[in-house]
Amino acid sequence: NAGVTQTPKFQVLKTGQSMTLQCAQDMNHNSMYWYRQDPGMGLRLIYYSASEGTTDKGEVPNGYNVSRLNKREFSLRLESAAPSQTSVYFCASGGSYYNEQFFGPGTRLTVL
Amino acid sequence: QKEVEQDPGPLSVPEGAIVSLNCTYSNSAFQYFMWYRQYSRKGPELLMYTYSSGNKEDGRFTAQVDKSSKYISLFIRDSQPSDSATYLCAMIRLYGAGGTSYGKLTFGQGTILTVHP
Repeated sequence: NAGVTQTPKFQVLKTGQSMTLQCAQDMNHNSMYWYRQDPGMGLRLIYYSASEGTTDKGEVPNGYNVSRLNKREFSLRLESAAPSQTSVYFCASGGSYYNEQFFGPGTRLTVL
Repeated sequence: QKEVEQDPGPLSVPEGAIVSLNCTYSNSAFQYFMWYRQYSRKGPELLMYTYSSGNKEDGRFTAQVDKSSKYISLFIRDSQPSDSATYLCAMIRLYGAGGTSYGKLTFGQGTILTVHP
C-alpha cells in the first residue's frame, strides 16, 4: 500500500515551458487535491476533484489545469511556466471518514 | 485577519519535555480539526484528527479542542529528537454528500519544533 505517490520528485523548467505533474493514490478515495507550499504562505489549494469526472478551482488556480484521469490519478499541468510557479507541489487524497487528507511526498519545481 | 492563526515558534526544547502547540480560528463553519507533522523536504503526515470539543489521546500525543474559545492544541509528552519537525494545524469544512463529498482544508502557518538531546 503506497498511499499517495507523485512524479517527478524534482524538476527545473525554463520560463514558458510546459509540464505535467502526476499523482496517484491506491486508497480508493473519491476526492483528490493539489496544493502548493511556499515560505511564508503556507499550503494553498490549487485545484480539487470531489470525485472521478469532476474538478474545480481552489484558492490559487491561475496558470494551472488539472485532469482527473480515473479514480486513482489526478494530474496538474502548467501550460506556460512562470518563475512565480517555483514552489513545492503536493497532491493529497481525501479519506472516507472526515475527508481527512493524506499527502504525497511532493514535487520540487524551479522555474528559471 | 487570517482564518487560522498558529503560534509561530520556533520552539526548542530538551528531550523529555512536554510540548504545547496552539492554534486559534475565527470561522465557526470548520467541522474537523487536524494536526500534521512535516519533516524537512517531506510531505505533511496526518497525526491526529478530531471533531468535538475535548481531548483525544494517541500515545504521547494529545489533541485538545475548545470550540467555544475557537482554540486547538497539540501536546507532546516525553518529547524525542525524532519529534523535531514542523507541526501544522488544519481545519476542514466539508461540502457535498456521499461519494461526491470533499473537504477544504485551511492550514496554520506551522510551528518549527526542535527537540535536542
